[in-house]
Amino acid sequence: ETGVTQTPRHLVMGMTNKKSLKCEQHLGHNAMYWYKQSAKKPLELMFVYNFKEQTENNSVPSRFSPECPNSSHLFLHLHTLQPEDSALYLCASSQRHEQYFGPGTRLTVT
Amino acid sequence: DAKTTQPNSMESNEEEPVHLPCNHSTISGTDYIHWYRQLPSQGPEYVIHGLTSNVNNRMASLAIAEDRKSSTLILHRATLRDAAVYYCILRAGSEKLVFGKGTKLTVNP
Repeated sequence: ETGVTQTPRHLVMGMTNKKSLKCEQHLGHNAMYWYKQSAKKPLELMFVYNFKEQTENNSVPSRFSPECPNSSHLFLHLHTLQPEDSALYLCASSQRHEQYFGPGTRLTVT
Repeated sequence: DAKTTQPNSMESNEEEPVHLPCNHSTISGTDYIHWYRQLPSQGPEYVIHGLTSNVNNRMASLAIAEDRKSSTLILHRATLRDAAVYYCILRAGSEKLVFGKGTKLTVNP
């Protein structure tokens, strides 16, 4: 257990569906992150939030919409996804040097 | 982003030491050397980080070359649970982590 939880752990959705991924950290950290890990590709940073404010958007398509209502929670809202968006979506939090990752949500878009 | 070079894969035997190399010839003075690992079906896990001096913690040791252009992550006694992809990452301050392909470590029983 890293102190970062993600739900759901697995998600299958059609291209016309709307779904949300949830991340919660119990570590009192101020920064939270969304990463995407596609098969056989390195982890890609998607979004960064510091003190609830988005500080980085790594050219992510608008069909991915993040939300950070407070320092402990981070959401990724998904709509009209494409099959190539199927991947492992990882959330992380940090205070200083170390980032703590959740177990990820395995997303399959059909 | 500063880059690192790691072997694609390495093999080790259980209960033997493992030395995972990383080259970072373009490292700048403010870059910290971070190591993370990712076990199968899990998110990455922080292992260790350092700036100039060698570092030890309960998981591993980090040996940093005097010119800082290379470093080595040392697992003192590999176990089957250490089989993972190990990432060596340079990071200045609170900049974002940029993951490469890492080294896939296989531990043989």
